[in-house]
Amino acid sequence: AQSVSQHNHHVILSEAASLELGCNYSYGGTVNLFWYVQYPGQHLQLLLKYFSGDPLVKGIKGFEAEFIKSKFSFNLRKPSVQWSDTAEYFCAVNADGQNFVFGPGTRLSVLP
Amino acid sequence: NAGVTQTPKFQVLKTGQSMTLQCAQDMNHEYMSWYRQDPGMGLRLIHYSVGAGITDQGEVPNGYNVSRSTTEDFPLRLLSAAPSQTSVYFCASSYSLNGQAGITEAFFGQGTRLTVV
Repeated sequence: AQSVSQHNHHVILSEAASLELGCNYSYGGTVNLFWYVQYPGQHLQLLLKYFSGDPLVKGIKGFEAEFIKSKFSFNLRKPSVQWSDTAEYFCAVNADGQNFVFGPGTRLSVLP
Repeated sequence: NAGVTQTPKFQVLKTGQSMTLQCAQDMNHEYMSWYRQDPGMGLRLIHYSVGAGITDQGEVPNGYNVSRSTTEDFPLRLLSAAPSQTSVYFCASSYSLNGQAGITEAFFGQGTRLTVV
């Protein structure tokens, strides 16, 4: 069965610091990869997605992620975080064309 | 477009009560699913549907029923509520491209916060 792990449960950063959130998945075949963000009290929104092609994908709000197939990883990055990036971030995998498997989430707190 | 609409937003039930969480989407998406979100566990799939009349179980289906009589609606029924079903429930829909649903993202509703006492 597919599984997704996220390295950090809670990350605390100051504004302007750089961000990297780790995501690893377990599945040997072709996968589609996603990062979702959930702002406090809101539903999940798509940040970015990878289907094929350039392994470095850019999403909204200055986020990017790099797919490293050999490491089964899809880490999320942002060069300079803002207070408004405070949210919970979920990595997700879709390998069978139907269902998404989500990681446990990483809570990001950005201090002003 | 309204997207994915869930009702109610909040609900408190007593143990043993039954209720239905409603989910509707107006994007003509074939795929719909229900997840529950619990702290530290991410989102876990309860049930899903690949089209009207077709449903299947996800990771945590016990205690829940679904049906899909139309493309638009995918209600989730709690048969006999238990405190372990206290959670936030999200409905999601997605569509296929070239026959592969996984290459499009899931669109989520606003969630239903359910408390079972």
